[in-house]
Amino acid sequence: EAGVTQSPTHLIKTRGQQVTLRCSPISGHTSVYWYQQALGLGLQFLLWYDEGEERNRGNFPPRFSGRQFPNYSSELNVNALELEDSALYLCASYRETGHLRWVNTEAFFGQGTRLTVV
Amino acid sequence: AQSVTQLDSQVPVFEEAPVELRCNYSSSVSVYLFWYVQYPNQGLQLLLKYLSGSTLVKGINGFEAEFNKSQTSFHLRKPSVHISDTAEYFCAVSEGRSSASKIIFGSGTRLSIRP
Repeated sequence: EAGVTQSPTHLIKTRGQQVTLRCSPISGHTSVYWYQQALGLGLQFLLWYDEGEERNRGNFPPRFSGRQFPNYSSELNVNALELEDSALYLCASYRETGHLRWVNTEAFFGQGTRLTVV
Repeated sequence: AQSVTQLDSQVPVFEEAPVELRCNYSSSVSVYLFWYVQYPNQGLQLLLKYLSGSTLVKGINGFEAEFNKSQTSFHLRKPSVHISDTAEYFCAVSEGRSSASKIIFGSGTRLSIRP
């Protein structure tokens, strides 16, 4: 079973540019989470998509946006890049187990996209 | 709102010594708790999780954690660490899908093993 895949693995952009990061979840997973891991700041929740809809959003400005496609893959878009956007962006896909739909289970992470803004 | 606190940003330990990485959480409802590990230049990998049942949870690589509801803690332990355990460890909490929640991570604890 293929894991969560993210592309590209590394990216260098100039301040003010726009960037699109991509994530393909594990087959059968319908939820995708995006996190930002900036140096020294741990994992910050960005966005949560489930069944094609945005379910929740972290404390980030509107220039961070995304979407989820019918095949459950997802894109994260960042407009008007700033130097502090330099970080590792991690995508995680999510699966429910058990016969009860409300039972949560763990998230599976991709290797991340390292974005450097210069 | 839920939150996670990892009090130790770095923990240096000698090889074969025991280690405990601390995690405290706050939530107004029942939670699900996780520990993830991030090896250098890699994504996160699940170590163990607590959903319900026994409060002592055993995970991969010899790690275990104990859920303490009264102290709102989920500390991670290993009786004898190896060089290969050098990594960053993240505690995470989720309140469950019914509240349209998200998984919240702590700030991480960097475990460094000295020979």
